[in-house]
Amino acid sequence: AQKVTQAQTEISVVEKEDVTLDCVYETRDTTYYLFWYKQPPSGELVFLIRRNSFDEQNEISGRYSWNFQKSTSSFNFTITASQVVDSAVYFCALSEANAGGTSYGKLTFGQGTILTVHP
Amino acid sequence: GAVVSQHPSWVICKSGTSVKIECRSLDFQATTMFWYRQFPKQSLMLMATSNEGSKATYEQGVEKDKFLINHASLTLSTLTVTSAHPEDSSFYICSAKPTGGVGETQYFGPGTRLLVL
Repeated sequence: AQKVTQAQTEISVVEKEDVTLDCVYETRDTTYYLFWYKQPPSGELVFLIRRNSFDEQNEISGRYSWNFQKSTSSFNFTITASQVVDSAVYFCALSEANAGGTSYGKLTFGQGTILTVHP
Repeated sequence: GAVVSQHPSWVICKSGTSVKIECRSLDFQATTMFWYRQFPKQSLMLMATSNEGSKATYEQGVEKDKFLINHASLTLSTLTVTSAHPEDSSFYICSAKPTGGVGETQYFGPGTRLLVL
């Protein structure tokens, strides 16, 4: 069975600080996808990134960066120079895939990390 | 980009009544849609997978007779909470996978908040 663990329930930082959100996952599959979503107070999920299990290259998008390490089953998310608008709940999620590499689509979410950025 | 809508966005009902929530893919077809439930300050939990033209597949512990899912067309899936009770109060979110699209892509709706009094 799949499992996603976000050990940090809440994180509070001051604006301009860097912050890293941890995500550890468990799966028996060799082919899978990892995701990060942001959920602001409105509730709507905002897609941030998708990474497949064969691509361990780290990614940077503006102030966001992701570190995927299969050896430790981790997919951590760093926000550089945090801003008040980054305050939200962040979810890491996992989706298994079939032999052809296509995701089944069913997502297993972590518990979420509440990030509060103070001015 | 692809858009998924949900209707209603908010619903308040009395205990014992049934509530229908619609999930629509507005600019693409979706053979498969998913229904998630999120209790306050908790994570999203998959309830069921909705497939167009066939029966939904429910996750363990989800009562299929209570949460009726109908995926009548390639752009619409409905979730009906039958005989709703206060413990069914939650945030219900759907997502849709584009038919023939990249397998891992899915789009989430804005969610429906249900309050059962």
